[in-house]
Amino acid sequence: GAVVSQHPSWVICKSGTSVKIECRSLDFQATTMFWYRQFPKQSLMLMATSNEGSKATYEQGVEKDKFLINHASLTLSTLTVTSAHPEDSSFYICSATLQGNQPQHFGDGTRLSIL
Amino acid sequence: QKEVEQDPGPLSVPEGAIVSLNCTYSNSAFQYFMWYRQYSRKGPELLMYTYSSGNKEDGRFTAQVDKSSKYISLFIRDSQPSDSATYLCAMATSGTYKYIFGTGTRLKVLA
Repeated sequence: GAVVSQHPSWVICKSGTSVKIECRSLDFQATTMFWYRQFPKQSLMLMATSNEGSKATYEQGVEKDKFLINHASLTLSTLTVTSAHPEDSSFYICSATLQGNQPQHFGDGTRLSIL
Repeated sequence: QKEVEQDPGPLSVPEGAIVSLNCTYSNSAFQYFMWYRQYSRKGPELLMYTYSSGNKEDGRFTAQVDKSSKYISLFIRDSQPSDSATYLCAMATSGTYKYIFGTGTRLKVLA
């Protein structure tokens, strides 16, 4: 149980394009989903917290106009990296939880490479 | 000082050894303590989830939380080459439930 699917797993695109990443909870309804960014050999850094039907809460220093998050249903959240540039290249990982005091379950991440 | 400190390793042990992984923290408000295993190019996989202090055992894994010392541990018994991965500790307070992760310890179990 508690499976989280993330798609795509790897994307390469040109500078200036927008990229959408999907995060789905397959066997449970996630009231809250989280988006993280991970640089090589570093830990996960929380970017934003997303609750179904409401606006995402972004961490300090994360540009909300650059990283658009939509949590339209209890099983789907999307992260759109707008006008991506090489410095946005990273490993993006989502997680989902049934409710706040329950553990977060993670997707397998999306490796984003901007040329 | 970081909120959560974790030795990055790498830690190399022979197959069958008992592995001890640790994290220290500074925020006494942390109530939830997690251990995740992350293989290369994959997302973290939940191993242990504990609330407040005490021990928790699941198969070959034992998690310990000592809130008085602000210190948590994960023990792996009878370690296997397939346990080779990065182990991340994470902590959260009640209310926000935002996870603060350690940097991860890279473990290598040698056959």
